[in-house]
Amino acid sequence: GAGVSQSPSNKVTEKGKDVELRCDPISGHTALYWYRQSLGQGLEFLIYFQGNSAPDKSGLPSDRFSAERTGGSVSTLTIQRTQQEDSAVYLCASRGRILNTGELFFGEGSRLTVL
Amino acid sequence: AQSVSQHNHHVILSEAASLELGCNYSYGGTVNLFWYVQYPGQHLQLLLKYFSGDPLVKGIKGFEAEFIKSKFSFNLRKPSVQWSDTAEYFCAVIGHDMRFGAGTRLTVKP
Repeated sequence: GAGVSQSPSNKVTEKGKDVELRCDPISGHTALYWYRQSLGQGLEFLIYFQGNSAPDKSGLPSDRFSAERTGGSVSTLTIQRTQQEDSAVYLCASRGRILNTGELFFGEGSRLTVL
Repeated sequence: AQSVSQHNHHVILSEAASLELGCNYSYGGTVNLFWYVQYPGQHLQLLLKYFSGDPLVKGIKGFEAEFIKSKFSFNLRKPSVQWSDTAEYFCAVIGHDMRFGAGTRLTVKP
């Protein structure tokens, strides 16, 4: 598609359940980022994929969070045993091959609510 | 890793007032700096960016930002705000990866 696509757009789950959030980046974009946006917390970096390099997982808040990127394209963010504090909007963004073009293109986000 | 600090959490202005939003970063290497904007109910979009050259960068909708290397700053400015500028503004820096500040919510009263 023309832009970054995320699904689901809204997810309501019960505490303790696992959730998977999907990101389909712009075709040909080699870099993919996941961020979490909580009220009053701004954009919190979670994980960064760049081509075939090992991902930068330094932003993942706990070992309940994991992400993978298959075939250098689609990415899935998995949250296991969800907690209420995981409620947030999860944003995915992608960027083209050349670092200095800089611009990230964001998806609409997946709003997660943990009851 | 690099970090970004935005000084103002919520700014409230009347239309036609001047705007300056502060942004400071820390990173030891060459940085590329950005301002993104998120209008209510919309996704994040690029407002302006700095890579090199003229430290005064002009973006869309009359916004500009000045890169001051000695102060590690990249403040966003607009001489006269409009009600439609009501949004959340994020400063960002690319070093090893891309990090964002906590954001500044701007409310412009008509």
